[in-house]
Amino acid sequence: EAEVAQSPRYKITEKSQAVAFWCDPISGHATLYWYRQILGQGPELLVQFQDESVVDDSQLPKDRFSAERLKGVDSTLKIQPAELGDSAMYLCASSLSPGANYGYTFGSGTRLTVV
Amino acid sequence: QQQVKQSPQSLIVQKGGISIINCAYENTAFDYFPWYQQFPGKGPALLIAIRPDVSEKKEGRFTISFNKSAKQFSLHIMDSQPGDSATYFCAASGGGGNKLTFGTGTQLKVEL
Repeated sequence: EAEVAQSPRYKITEKSQAVAFWCDPISGHATLYWYRQILGQGPELLVQFQDESVVDDSQLPKDRFSAERLKGVDSTLKIQPAELGDSAMYLCASSLSPGANYGYTFGSGTRLTVV
Repeated sequence: QQQVKQSPQSLIVQKGGISIINCAYENTAFDYFPWYQQFPGKGPALLIAIRPDVSEKKEGRFTISFNKSAKQFSLHIMDSQPGDSATYFCAASGGGGNKLTFGTGTQLKVEL
């Protein structure tokens, strides 16, 4: 079964440092999403890509977060500088076409701890 | 603004019993309502989904009941098993947007 690959699985970083997460979606999936899940809460969308273009980044804290999907395949999410409140699970998901009703597949996530 | 409210926060059910999780939404433009199951250390996985043109959808032991007028939907897990112990999230999307809006989750524990 095809999977969304994410790395690293766990990351511990000091406050004010830079951190980056990588996601490789299911082959052929044009739409890629980054979600943040704070412990005990549901995931919240940070950014959505259609191919290499950003279609929704309204909830992305752009002063410290950036995301790219240069060739429309894999994607990187960066935080610089990291803050204590950024501690969360960062989930990547992909779908064949835009719209949740085409079926999202989530990766296993990157657990970030900022100390 | 929380657009999808989920309850209860946690639930303990005996093996073989029925687990019921409820969600309510505010945005009448939502037109797709999935439920996700999440095990510790894993990403959410789609369990079952419904559109507002039907009032119920069943897949195996899992059933979604949908009440459009009340803007509520619920997940019923029949014959609950210890392997069903996980966190369950309701979600909604639609209204021209593509993103999923998730509820706050229900931690289900099925005891022997």
